Amino acid sequence: DVKVTQSSRYLVKRTGEKVFLECVQDMDHENMFWYRQDPGLGLRLIYFSYDVKMKEKGDIPEGYSVSREKKERFSLILESASTNQTSMYLCASSRDVIAEAFFGQGTRLTVV
Amino acid sequence: QKEVEQDPGPLSVPEGAIVSLNCTYSNSAFQYFMWYRQYSRKGPELLMYTYSSGNKEDGRFTAQVDKSSKYISLFIRDSQPSDSATYLCAMRGVQGAQKLVFGQGTRLTINP
Repeated sequence: DVKVTQSSRYLVKRTGEKVFLECVQDMDHENMFWYRQDPGLGLRLIYFSYDVKMKEKGDIPEGYSVSREKKERFSLILESASTNQTSMYLCASSRDVIAEAFFGQGTRLTVV
Repeated sequence: QKEVEQDPGPLSVPEGAIVSLNCTYSNSAFQYFMWYRQYSRKGPELLMYTYSSGNKEDGRFTAQVDKSSKYISLFIRDSQPSDSATYLCAMRGVQGAQKLVFGQGTRLTINP
């Protein structure tokens, strides 16, 4: 079974803090994604990566950056957390761009 | 206008009922259509994956795609309480296929 593991289920951070969300997949997938999920808005793509050290902006990259130093690990960074970044963050991976995406359990981030 | 529209519900039906979940979309370039199921406090998991128009059946689940109407459906027969979840439609084109566009999700409850 494909496993996508996010480092934290719940996080509470203060406004202005730098926040790191970590994601690891164990199936040697090329592609990794970060989404945020908000009520009424569904899942929105923040960033994705199709190879080590490669990254592409999604629909809502503002206020976020990413890092992919190793194939299995994809990190989402909130440079200076703000309250409007309170959300559920979901990491996903896929073998190729048209294969199904496998999701992690999600990290519920609250910024106070 | 959102690229993908999905009625967020909530939808509540008795056990054994036939459930119909629907999405409409505006981008005629979409070719791959998916339904994900998301249980509370979990990440989404793929339920059905279809390419272009037509029907696909898997047990109690049937996915339909009508590209002429830009309309996709998921039918659940003999619904069970364990089907209670949020159902998300998702779709992508061939160009820029890494961008999976999600609907808002429909929250479904099956009452015993």
